[in-house]
Amino acid sequence: GAGVSQSPSNKVTEKGKDVELRCDPISGHTALYWYRQRLGQGLEFLIYFQGNSAPDKSGLPSDRFSAERTGESVSTLTIQRTQQEDSAVYLCASSLRQTIQGYGYTFGSGTRLTVV
Amino acid sequence: GEDVEQSLFLSVREGDSSVINCTYTDSSSTYLYWYKQEPGAGLQLLTYIFSNMDMKQDQRLTVLLNKKDKHLSLRIADTQTGDSAIYFCAESIFRDDKIIFGKGTRLHILP
Repeated sequence: GAGVSQSPSNKVTEKGKDVELRCDPISGHTALYWYRQRLGQGLEFLIYFQGNSAPDKSGLPSDRFSAERTGESVSTLTIQRTQQEDSAVYLCASSLRQTIQGYGYTFGSGTRLTVV
Repeated sequence: GEDVEQSLFLSVREGDSSVINCTYTDSSSTYLYWYKQEPGAGLQLLTYIFSNMDMKQDQRLTVLLNKKDKHLSLRIADTQTGDSAIYFCAESIFRDDKIIFGKGTRLHILP
């Protein structure tokens, strides 16, 4: 597609439920990133996929968080047994190649998750 | 270590110039970026500069890089109400594929 698409744009869930967030990267972008942005805060790196390599999961805050990506296409971020501190905007970004090429990231509009 | 620091708030009168500053710690940075985030939106790449450059100008935007002091700035000339947003400084590092972001500077435009 023309841009990075994320769905849903908003999600309200009850504490303890599982949620799935989806990201459709730009076609042909080999790299895909998930970030979390809490209210009034900066970006917190969660996970990074590059082609068929093993993902960099170093930013996942707990084992309740997991992410998958099929080839170089759609990615889903799953949060199990949601807690109130999981409330945030979850941003997905994709990149044409390694960032050393200077392409930067293209971000989606994010999914605003509210845990009540 | 990798760290990008920037002030959290800046207020500027409409029509004046805005200067947003950023410092970074990793001397092996390859590219440095400025992203803009408007309310309810994702981040939009505004401009970037390669680490062997001192300055880059693009219409109302001027990026200055002092590699010795590891200091990056973004100057917005003739600031308009539409410039009201959060501006993120970021760096990419040769050995890594991730971009490291600062916490963002919220630019507030005064009438």
